[in-house]
Amino acid sequence: KAGVTQTPRYLIKTRGQQVTLSCSPISGHRSVSWYQQTPGQGLQFLFEYFSETQRNKGNFPGRFSGRQFSNSRSEMNVSTLELGDSALYLCASSFGLAGHTGELFFGEGSRLTVL
Amino acid sequence: QKEVEQDPGPLSVPEGAIVSLNCTYSNSAFQYFMWYRQYSRKGPELLMYTYSSGNKEDGRFTAQVDKSSKYISLFIRDSQPSDSATYLCASPPGAGRRALTFGSGTRLQVQP
Repeated sequence: KAGVTQTPRYLIKTRGQQVTLSCSPISGHRSVSWYQQTPGQGLQFLFEYFSETQRNKGNFPGRFSGRQFSNSRSEMNVSTLELGDSALYLCASSFGLAGHTGELFFGEGSRLTVL
Repeated sequence: QKEVEQDPGPLSVPEGAIVSLNCTYSNSAFQYFMWYRQYSRKGPELLMYTYSSGNKEDGRFTAQVDKSSKYISLFIRDSQPSDSATYLCASPPGAGRRALTFGSGTRLQVQP
């Protein structure tokens, strides 16, 4: 069974640009959560989508947005990039809402560098 | 105060040592916790669940919760170089928060 797939794995952008990251969850999983991981802050929750609806949202500015498609694939977008957005962005899928089971299946992440 | 706090390490031990990894939590209402392991350049993977009472053992790994001191521990017996990774404790959703919250992770290096 294929795991969670994230694309692209690495990307470099400049300040002010925008970026879109993609996540394909494990087949049959309906929830997709996004996390930002940095050395200083650790894993920080961005948002969770379930059945194409955003169910939970973390404390990130509106420049961070996401969506989920009918096949459960998800994208997140960051607009007007800032240097501090440089991070590893991790997508995780779960069969039900993540908070119900605590078991998340993570992808390998998309490493974003903002210059 | 973060809901889950963890010493970032790094922690370096010789092969075969017993390793103790610890987290503290602030919300006494939590009923269970998770330990995730993250290898370099990989995403975290669930290692163990532990409920808020007693120990849980899985092979060389034992998870323990001390409710009185709000302490979560993960013990690794006979540590191996393949255990070298970052270990993250995680707490379930709580009041005002509906997502898992992760500690910052402790980086472990097991020297052969």
